[in-house]
Order: sequence, then structure tokens, then C-alpha cells
Amino acid sequence: QQQVKQSPQSLIVQKGGIPIINCAYENTAFDYFPWYQQFPGKGPALLIAIRPDVSEKKEGRFTISFNKSAKQFSLHIMDSQPGDSATYFCAATSGSRLTFGEGTQLTVNP
Amino acid sequence: GAGVSQSPRYKVAKRGQDVALRCDPISGHVSLFWYQQALGQGPEFLTYFQNEAQLDKSGLPSDRFFAERPEGSVSTLKIQRTQQEDSAVYLCASSATVGYGYTFGSGTRLTVV
Repeated sequence: QQQVKQSPQSLIVQKGGIPIINCAYENTAFDYFPWYQQFPGKGPALLIAIRPDVSEKKEGRFTISFNKSAKQFSLHIMDSQPGDSATYFCAATSGSRLTFGEGTQLTVNP
Repeated sequence: GAGVSQSPRYKVAKRGQDVALRCDPISGHVSLFWYQQALGQGPEFLTYFQNEAQLDKSGLPSDRFFAERPEGSVSTLKIQRTQQEDSAVYLCASSATVGYGYTFGSGTRLTVV
């Protein structure tokens, strides 16, 4: 059962563009929403995370927007670079369990 | 250590063989998790330990899967009588606090032939 739905499945942007990845959830028990970046052959690495009492969080070029009433959140990558090409996963935590979205494969062309 | 270490990095098993996958978490991390990642998918929760206690094993797909962490540090995921559908990357993660700040290892890619 997919509790966190992520879109799009893949995304191609030019260098300097602002890719946006969207996620939606149903379980109101989720209380922590991290984003992970994964390169081929590596495990997911934590990028940025937000709690539901905050509507936006920015760390460097990465921004999370959170809409609690709509149960949606999104990742924006400012001034994207070819080195940002990776698979991005949204996730949500309830208690000890981390539930992942299906992933977005981002390609940033030079 | 500096990160979560998993071994082996790659494992090829013949169908029906038993396999054991090892995870060395970050020193001092009390929480340890196993996830299964199928090709092109997000990781799926398998099981969770707090110290040596296995507090949640509801994600284990069958009774062929077994995990242990006897001394509260190193953990082993064992799969008995492997099947082709077990082919996946098995990821281990650890954290100092429950629910936050997971650090993942690079995983073990299991291929069952």
C-alpha cells in the first residue's frame, strides 16, 4: 500500500532551472517529512526535512514547501546543476517507520 | 565508524540457497533499520531494532526472512531458501534517535539466479 505518492516519475531540466517534485500523503499520523537524494550504487542520503507545523524550510539551494491542509509537500531545487542529477525520494515518518515515495529521477543537462 | 557499513556489496545466490547480509551501524546509534529496495522503487521497510530488541518486524515479507542484532550493534539479515523475487538491494540504516536522522549504508545488491 503506497502511503506516500510522488510525482513526476522523471524530470529533465536545463542547468539553472528549478525542478519541482511533489508528494502527497494520507496518513495524518505522519509527523516528519524528509527528502532523500540517491546516486547509483549508494544509499539514500538525507537532504532536508520539515515538520508539519512549518510551511517552508530552506537549506542552501533546497526548499521544502508544506501544505498541511492539503496533505502535500514539495521539493524545489534552485539553480540546479548537473551534479544534482540523481533520484530523489520524499518520505514520511510515523513513530519509527520511514515510508518512502516511489522516487523521481532528475536529470540536469549542462 | 564514520558511516553505516554493509557487506557484502554484491551477492549472487542460486535459488534455494541461504544468504546472510551484514550491517555495521554508526557507533552509538541505538536504532537500526533494514529496508528492501526493488529496482526503480523506493525503499520498503522490513524491520527495526532498538539496541538488541527487535521492536517491529511487520515488514518482513515471509518467514524466510530473519534479522538479529544480538549485542545491540552489528545486525544480520538472513534470507532462507532464496527466491527470484528476493532480488533487490537491501539497505541498512541507523540513527541516534527514533524517527529522525537516519543514515543509510550503500546496501547489498542481492541477485537470485
